[in-house]
Amino acid sequence: DQQVKQNSPSLSVQEGRISILNCDYTNSMFDYFLWYKKYPAEGPTFLISISSIKDKNEDGRFTVFLNKSAKHLSLHIVPSQPGDSAVYFCAVGGSNYKLTFGKGTLLTVNP
Amino acid sequence: GAGVSQSPSNKVTEKGKDVELRCDPISGHTALYWYRQRLGQGLEFLIYFQGNSAPDKSGLPSDRFSAERTGESVSTLTIQRTQQEDSAVYLCASSPMLTVAQPQHFGDGTRLSIL
Repeated sequence: DQQVKQNSPSLSVQEGRISILNCDYTNSMFDYFLWYKKYPAEGPTFLISISSIKDKNEDGRFTVFLNKSAKHLSLHIVPSQPGDSAVYFCAVGGSNYKLTFGKGTLLTVNP
Repeated sequence: GAGVSQSPSNKVTEKGKDVELRCDPISGHTALYWYRQRLGQGLEFLIYFQGNSAPDKSGLPSDRFSAERTGESVSTLTIQRTQQEDSAVYLCASSPMLTVAQPQHFGDGTRLSIL
């Protein structure tokens, strides 16, 4: 019973183009949403987050969009760079202090 | 260093042995979390600490798993009588306060392989 789904195991984009990573969740009680980036043999690194009272949060090249009615969030990276190549995890949290992670999407940005 | 440190980075052991995994969080971080990542899967929450207290142990996979934290600092995750399904990367994270609204800072994990 996956509460957080990242339906694309992998995504390949050209350098300079937009990368869009998607995440769906099932529980409407979740109220905080985060994206983490992970390189091989390293721990996840926090990228950007959004609370349920917002529908968009932007930080440089990274923007997270939240659609609460659809229980969907997305991460946009523009322009994409080869150094962005990594596994991206979405994570959702609520009042129980626990983060639930998706299985991740491997992003490859080709030069 | 200033980040979360985990040791050992790799551990290979025989089925049935006990293992102890260590996490040194960022100094001053009250909250500490343990996760497990099996091959091809997302991070699976195991347990969290607020200070030295772990109020909710329901995420631990079985009674072979236990965790403790002392001095509001170092934490150890112990797996007794290891089984092959325990093979995974075990990740520790810490944050200044116990809230999902603060990003968790992760260590690089311990890769545990049970033969």
